[in-house]
Amino acid sequence: GEDVEQSLFLSVREGDSSVINCTYTDSSSTYLYWYKQEPGAGLQLLTYIFSNMDMKQDQRLTVLLNKKDKHLSLRIADTQTGDSAIYFCAERGYSSASKIIFGSGTRLSIRP
Amino acid sequence: DAGVIQSPRHEVTEMGQEVTLRCKPISGHDSLFWYRQTMMRGLELLIYFNNNVPIDDSGMPEDRFSAKMPNASFSTLKIQPSEPRDSAVYFCASRGDVVNTEAFFGQGTRLTVV
Repeated sequence: GEDVEQSLFLSVREGDSSVINCTYTDSSSTYLYWYKQEPGAGLQLLTYIFSNMDMKQDQRLTVLLNKKDKHLSLRIADTQTGDSAIYFCAERGYSSASKIIFGSGTRLSIRP
Repeated sequence: DAGVIQSPRHEVTEMGQEVTLRCKPISGHDSLFWYRQTMMRGLELLIYFNNNVPIDDSGMPEDRFSAKMPNASFSTLKIQPSEPRDSAVYFCASRGDVVNTEAFFGQGTRLTVV
């Protein structure tokens, strides 16, 4: 079945770049997402990438997709304390009725 | 639109009691998802509906869990009888019918079974 895997924790120094990695198994994945969850809140979409792209940039966020290796990464430039959160990688197929499968989430903590 | 609305926000109940969690999706969205989040298992998809019809309930842990979507604006997730291991945050999410739209999440219901 489909599976999405992420490391559980990442700690970076304020001002450095954070790179959060994700691997997935479903070769038919069409959309790949990064969601952010702040304490006590639901998940909010940060960005997504379509499977025919290999990179997408949005201000401080850069998403890289290696479809051959089924590897997705999220880079946050100039990491700030407000970036502390859990980051979830997710994937879904093309159909509008496709389910969305999430990874376990990576808890990003920022040290001064 | 107020977004996806879940109720209650917090629920504390005794083992063996019935628990009902409620969700109102965003108007016009045709897919609805129930997820459970725990420290041990992360975010698990329990069940999802498309046009009020259950499409995949393979994530429902056991027969004590049931979900319904009687109409496009309301869904429930019921646990009967509840057990301490059901303690988790339960999220409802909805998505529109445009192929590449995101899923919008509610604030979640934190369930504690004692």
